[in-house]
Amino acid sequence: DAGVTQSPTHLIKTRGQQVTLRCSPKSGHDTVSWYQQALGQGPQFIFQYYEEEERQRGNFPDRFSGHQFPNYSSELNVNALLLGDSALYLCASTILGNSGGDFGPGTRLTVL
Amino acid sequence: AQSVTQLGSHVSVSEGALVLLRCNYSSSVPPYLFWYVQYPNQGLQLLLKYTSAATLVKGINGFEAEFKKSETSFHLTKPSAHMSDAAEYFCAVSSADTGNQFYFGTGTSLTVIP
Repeated sequence: DAGVTQSPTHLIKTRGQQVTLRCSPKSGHDTVSWYQQALGQGPQFIFQYYEEEERQRGNFPDRFSGHQFPNYSSELNVNALLLGDSALYLCASTILGNSGGDFGPGTRLTVL
Repeated sequence: AQSVTQLGSHVSVSEGALVLLRCNYSSSVPPYLFWYVQYPNQGLQLLLKYTSAATLVKGINGFEAEFKKSETSFHLTKPSAHMSDAAEYFCAVSSADTGNQFYFGTGTSLTVIP
């Protein structure tokens, strides 16, 4: 049974570009959250999706947006990339109302 | 509001020695508490979690943690360190009233000296 998967594993973009990251949740999970982990820091919550709607949002600008599909998979979109957006982006899935969650391996985004 | 403080950004222990990684939390409601481990260039792996059952929680790879409400602490311990324990460790808190989103500490890097 596959766990949380993310694609791509690595990505290099230049400032001003746009990027889309993808996440497939663990089988049976219906809620997906995205986190940004800058180098040397703990992960920071970006937002959470359930039933194709954004339920909660952390302290991130509108350049960060997302989507959840009927099959529960999710995308994270970042527009107008800044150097400071370089980070490991982690996806976590769970069942709504459950504590905890399973994390994917992450996507390493480098902005040049 | 919820937050986690991990005391000691770097901890070094000798192989076979006790591992103690400290975590203090702040939460206005009963929390769920977690310890995750991250190896270089990898995602997060759950070591253990506290969800209001037994206060002493046993996890994988010989790790355990004790929830102490009076001290607002959830320290991670392992009796005997192995070389393979060298990694970054994150403590996290969540609660149902914030949609179970995680609030992570800044991490503790564990070095095991042979």
